[in-house]
Amino acid sequence: TQLLEQSPQFLSIQEGENLTVYCNSSSVFSSLQWYRQEPGEGPVLLVTVVTGGEVKKLKRLTFQFGDARKDSSLHITAAQPGDTGLYLCAGLPSGTYKYIFGTGTRLKVLA
Amino acid sequence: DSGVTQTPKHLITATGQRVTLRCSPRSGDLSVYWYQQSLDQGLQFLIHYYNGEERAKGNILERFSAQQFPDLHSELNLSSLELGDSALYFCASSVLGGLSTDTQYFGPGTRLTVL
Repeated sequence: TQLLEQSPQFLSIQEGENLTVYCNSSSVFSSLQWYRQEPGEGPVLLVTVVTGGEVKKLKRLTFQFGDARKDSSLHITAAQPGDTGLYLCAGLPSGTYKYIFGTGTRLKVLA
Repeated sequence: DSGVTQTPKHLITATGQRVTLRCSPRSGDLSVYWYQQSLDQGLQFLIHYYNGEERAKGNILERFSAQQFPDLHSELNLSSLELGDSALYFCASSVLGGLSTDTQYFGPGTRLTVL
């Protein structure tokens, strides 16, 4: 069974702090996506990484795809209350059409 | 607004019943995906259709079935409903499906409650 494990599961931090969320697997992925989901809504895509070692930045968010394309990280600098939400990683295992979603990281940023 | 529409938004029904969830993909997207999200859990992939053909199947129960029609909209049919089927059901669409650079756009979901 192919799994994507995210850590931590829950994170509560103060505004202005930095944080990193990890997404790990033993499988190789042809691509990996990060989504943010608000309660009762569908996930919204933040970024797609495709190349091993790739780093993408989206304002205060930095995404990295592992060299072996088995893991990824999301780093948020100077977190703000508006960053609060459920962060999900999702991967497309090489050679398949079945997207796998991680277990999710629930982030709460306190003002 | 992702451009993916799902109806109905909420559905309340009883055990043993059958329901149909509907999804209209973004204009131009050929692939439709269905996911189930139970309380405090991640998204579970159910099934993927590409241009009317089933492309991949996940952990979809035999009581569940789906299809994609010639106009590319899709329906997910859930029958002999059980309490454990209560969940959010999401549809997503993408241009092609299965390419590493393809992007899934999610609809707002249908919240199913089985009493």
